[in-house]
Amino acid sequence: NAGVTQTPKFQVLKTGQSMTLQCAQDMNHNSMYWYRQDPGMGLRLIYYSASEGTTDKGEVPNGYNVSRLNKREFSLRLESAAPSQTSVYFCASSEGGAPEETQYFGPGTRLLVL
Amino acid sequence: AQSVTQLDSHVSVSEGTPVLLRCNYSSSYSPSLFWYVQHPNKGLQLLLKYTSAATLVKGINGFEAEFKKSETSFHLTKPSAHMSDAAEYFCVVSDRGAQKMVFGQGTRLTINP
Repeated sequence: NAGVTQTPKFQVLKTGQSMTLQCAQDMNHNSMYWYRQDPGMGLRLIYYSASEGTTDKGEVPNGYNVSRLNKREFSLRLESAAPSQTSVYFCASSEGGAPEETQYFGPGTRLLVL
Repeated sequence: AQSVTQLDSHVSVSEGTPVLLRCNYSSSYSPSLFWYVQHPNKGLQLLLKYTSAATLVKGINGFEAEFKKSETSFHLTKPSAHMSDAAEYFCVVSDRGAQKMVFGQGTRLTINP
């Protein structure tokens, strides 16, 4: 049982390049999330998907797009990377998205944009 | 609107002494509150959560937290620190109004031998 997996673990991009961060969960969860973590700022929600086929913006969606490919997979795309997007990105999932539910996190992707 | 404030960005204690990590929250509804731990270069792991049942919540690795509505606090404690407790700790609030988690800024816990 792998839980939440993310690829790649680490990536270096040049300004203007694009890339897709992949996330998959094997817990049959309905809700999935993308966060970014910056020093001293905790985790901030970029986008979330309450169920297959739906996506919604979080606190910091600008510069990102997402795709809920199926129930297992939720990808995050940077169309034109900027140095301000240098961060650690975490994917998470929860059973149904209710406030009291635990979210389970992946190991993270470290992104450096030069 | 919901928010959470972790009152210390860094706490340093000696091994074997008590740990106290402080968290205050704001919520317009009955909140759910969580503590997550993040070890270096790892993902986040749930330590414990409060969801309107018992106000004293016990978690993994000897940690516990007490929900105090009158003080809007959810402080994390452990009687005796271990070297393996060195990590970053996040207090999180979630309620039915926003229907999403809001994270505190994090507290880095250092354990001195």
